Amino acid sequence: QVQLVESGGGVVQPGRSLRLSCAASGFTFNNYAIHWVRQAPGKGLEWVADVSYDGNHQYYANSVKGRFTISRDNSRNTLYLQINSLRAEDTAVYYCARTLLQYFDYHGMDVWGQGTTVTVSS
Amino acid sequence: QSALTQPASVSGFPGQSITISCTGSRSDVGGYNYVSWYQQHPGKAPKLMIYDVSNRPSGVSNRFSGSKSGNTASLTISGLQAEDEADYHCSSYTSSSSWVFGGGTKLTVL
Repeated sequence: QVQLVESGGGVVQPGRSLRLSCAASGFTFNNYAIHWVRQAPGKGLEWVADVSYDGNHQYYANSVKGRFTISRDNSRNTLYLQINSLRAEDTAVYYCARTLLQYFDYHGMDVWGQGTTVTVSS
Repeated sequence: QSALTQPASVSGFPGQSITISCTGSRSDVGGYNYVSWYQQHPGKAPKLMIYDVSNRPSGVSNRFSGSKSGNTASLTISGLQAEDEADYHCSSYTSSSSWVFGGGTKLTVL
């Protein structure tokens, strides 16, 4: 079935780096833009970044620009999020989510992973 | 990229209808018909309920409907059921080629 599975979260010290992964299955991965969305404890959703279906275009929230890098490997059906210089405010559940329609990223996110938790603490 | 504004909580009795508002600006909600709504039960991933302001994905009950007027989008749930109790999040595409979410609304079915 159509599925996204995140991994790579954990407890990390401030200032360190982390790479999250999102493995896709059950659909043609290289036809869809994919997003990262995070949710701090007890808070709402925050869009983080997305990458176009072909990996040629990346977009970031102002709050993470310069520290986060989104990328994808279409040969491995996998999305990545490299997070550098981690801060306490990066503590959240990180979800990857597929866009609803192929090739476009305007129309909402219809498939979500279960999330991976990142905790930034010394 | 300021968050969209949603009420923190709404409530209603079974069978009633409720509406959740989502207010942005001309740079997001008012400028594009790319508003979506998500339902999230505790400890679960969000679920897409409405996309492009008023369209329902396959499998979503027709008790859920969306609309927009100016810079404010709305989600209406009719015939409230106990299983509708959840958090609801709106989202919009923006003029910065980014997405913005609202703060989320907790729906309580009384």
